[in-house]
Amino acid sequence: AQSVTQLGSHVSVSEGALVLLRCNYSSSVPPYLFWYVQYPNQGLQLLLKYTSAATLVKGINGFEAEFKKSETSFHLTKPSAHMSDAAEYFCAVSAQGASTDKLIFGTGTRLQVFP
Amino acid sequence: DAEITQSPRHKITETGRQVTLACHQTWNHNNMFWYRQDLGHGLRLIHYSYGVQDTNKGEVSDGYSVSRSNTEDLPLTLESAASSQTSVYFCASSPTTVTGELFFGEGSRLTVL
Repeated sequence: AQSVTQLGSHVSVSEGALVLLRCNYSSSVPPYLFWYVQYPNQGLQLLLKYTSAATLVKGINGFEAEFKKSETSFHLTKPSAHMSDAAEYFCAVSAQGASTDKLIFGTGTRLQVFP
Repeated sequence: DAEITQSPRHKITETGRQVTLACHQTWNHNNMFWYRQDLGHGLRLIHYSYGVQDTNKGEVSDGYSVSRSNTEDLPLTLESAASSQTSVYFCASSPTTVTGELFFGEGSRLTVL
């Protein structure tokens, strides 16, 4: 079975500062890992995904995440926060090759960006 | 552009009433999903469909039903609304059965009084 834990339900950063959103997963088989972003009053959209190719995955809007098997982590980073990055971010996990109904979402991290 | 639309976006209803939330996608995806989003729980799967006439229960299906009569639509029905079903509901679709990108609608906020 898979599970995912997002550490910190709220993260606040200043504009221009590093963004680090933490995600740890548990999986008995090789995982697929995803980060989704939800802007206010909108649905979720895919930010990036790891599907067993490169361990450093680049996504939209300057975000990237690194798959670290030894740490069972898939943390999301961005070197310099922008006001428009304020949103809720969800990490999700499934087993490689699993059907979409097996996708498990984390509880989300709300990112605030201060000027 | 292809899209996925939900209606209504906001609804207030009373306990015991039947409610239907509509979901319509123009991606031509075979795979459609309903999730509910609650604080502290993230997104939880209610029902899903991998094609016309196919429907399956998800993690939190009690009190909900879906039907799939065509590719484009997957309406979600609450047979007898309960206060515990106050939530934000998201419909999503996917081009693949194997886990990949989900395309989400903008959500329907339901309040049950």
